[in-house]
Amino acid sequence: DADVTQTPRNRITKTGKRIMLECSQTKGHDRMYWYRQDPGLGLRLIYYSFDVKDINKGEISDGYSVSRQAQAKFSLSLESAIPNQTALYFCATSVGTKGKGSYNEQFFGPGTRLTVL
Amino acid sequence: QKEVEQNSGPLSVPEGAIASLNCTYSDRGSQSFFWYRQYSGKSPELIMFIYSNGDKEDGRFTAQLNKASQYVSLLIRDSQPSDSATYLCGTGFQKLVFGTGTRLLVSP
Repeated sequence: DADVTQTPRNRITKTGKRIMLECSQTKGHDRMYWYRQDPGLGLRLIYYSFDVKDINKGEISDGYSVSRQAQAKFSLSLESAIPNQTALYFCATSVGTKGKGSYNEQFFGPGTRLTVL
Repeated sequence: QKEVEQNSGPLSVPEGAIASLNCTYSDRGSQSFFWYRQYSGKSPELIMFIYSNGDKEDGRFTAQLNKASQYVSLLIRDSQPSDSATYLCGTGFQKLVFGTGTRLLVSP
């Protein structure tokens, strides 16, 4: 079974609709992230959470909100979807700080392809 | 100016050649750098991270960091068609900033 799962994998919706993308992980990691990927723009951070009570805005949080329901679950919502939110969305997880010289690898889910018409 | 810059490519190399991927960054305070590989339609996966000046080798991959010149590179020796993918450079420790990626094509 995949360690980081995302649902749905594909979604087509209309402008103005509310959409929720869900992410679950079985890796036991404290830290979770939401990114969007657009051609020519790369991966951009939307929101991140270092634990259940900690939520932080990323580079492009406008138009999005998140909920960290549990250590293993992190949801991304688009309250009123618009066409320029059409993108590939990735959830990722990582462990907490290990110390100097270490790097906390981020593990990505399979992605959700969202199309807003 | 974007914080991390990469040539989008594609970079085309023949099988068995060395592929050289380059990346520059703007924040002199950046300390940790990484390379992720992303196959078409798949999610990114970590290949290398580096935080000290110089070279770091792992199998066919070598990451090079030059903090004075603010660039990071990835060398892939004996390139294989299976290396064809987009390579994402970036910086950060917990909050990551990615470049737009360089597409590598290795022809048989």
